[in-house]
Amino acid sequence: GESVGLHLPTLSVQEGDNSIINCAYSNSASDYFIWYKQESGKGPQFIIDIRSNMDKRQGQRVTVLLNKTVKHLSLQIAATQPGDSAVYFCAESYSSYKLIFGSGTRLLVRP
Amino acid sequence: NAGVTQTPKFRILKIGQSMTLQCAQDMNHNYMYWYRQDPGMGLKLIYYSVGAGITDKGEVPNGYNVSRSTTEDFPLRLELAAPSQTSVYFCASSYPPSGGLQTSTDTQYFGPGTRLTVL
Repeated sequence: GESVGLHLPTLSVQEGDNSIINCAYSNSASDYFIWYKQESGKGPQFIIDIRSNMDKRQGQRVTVLLNKTVKHLSLQIAATQPGDSAVYFCAESYSSYKLIFGSGTRLLVRP
Repeated sequence: NAGVTQTPKFRILKIGQSMTLQCAQDMNHNYMYWYRQDPGMGLKLIYYSVGAGITDKGEVPNGYNVSRSTTEDFPLRLELAAPSQTSVYFCASSYPPSGGLQTSTDTQYFGPGTRLTVL
């Protein structure tokens, strides 16, 4: 499959540990944020989103935290599994339909 | 329900050739998008459309054209291919912005991508 992000920052975690992927966004006016997961050779897949009127949102094994003061977004993955290995992108929007993507972080899960 | 489909999956072009990347969605989404993704980078918006007959430029529109004659289809046209257009191209679709409603309706759903190489 297509290799994405040959020179991306990489986070390596042990299977079963928790993972935290960070993202700094650029526009203080952004009001909507999304995390996407991209596996090799595939398109981005929606994980979780959050609006600017929230600080935290939880999904199944994932939590997104938003700190508007420092324009920082994080994705926490609980009990990381081998299937979580992928490139993770954050995206921001200030008009709710045009997304600006970050450069991505590669997550490697060690067995 | 196939979601967002793209063809072809791979293509090699010579400099100056033209081609059309096809994108279709069967979710009745009004909004459609074209992105390009270069190695080590995030996605950059090329063009988008908020409905049939309406298109607008994104961040990196130069060298591309689009049309939206139906809700389902959103082809991307390269008229004079250049090496700088070597990239992976993704099409996406979404509902219109939902304002204060559930955030998931704003989510963009992506196709599998087209890898284009211009030599």
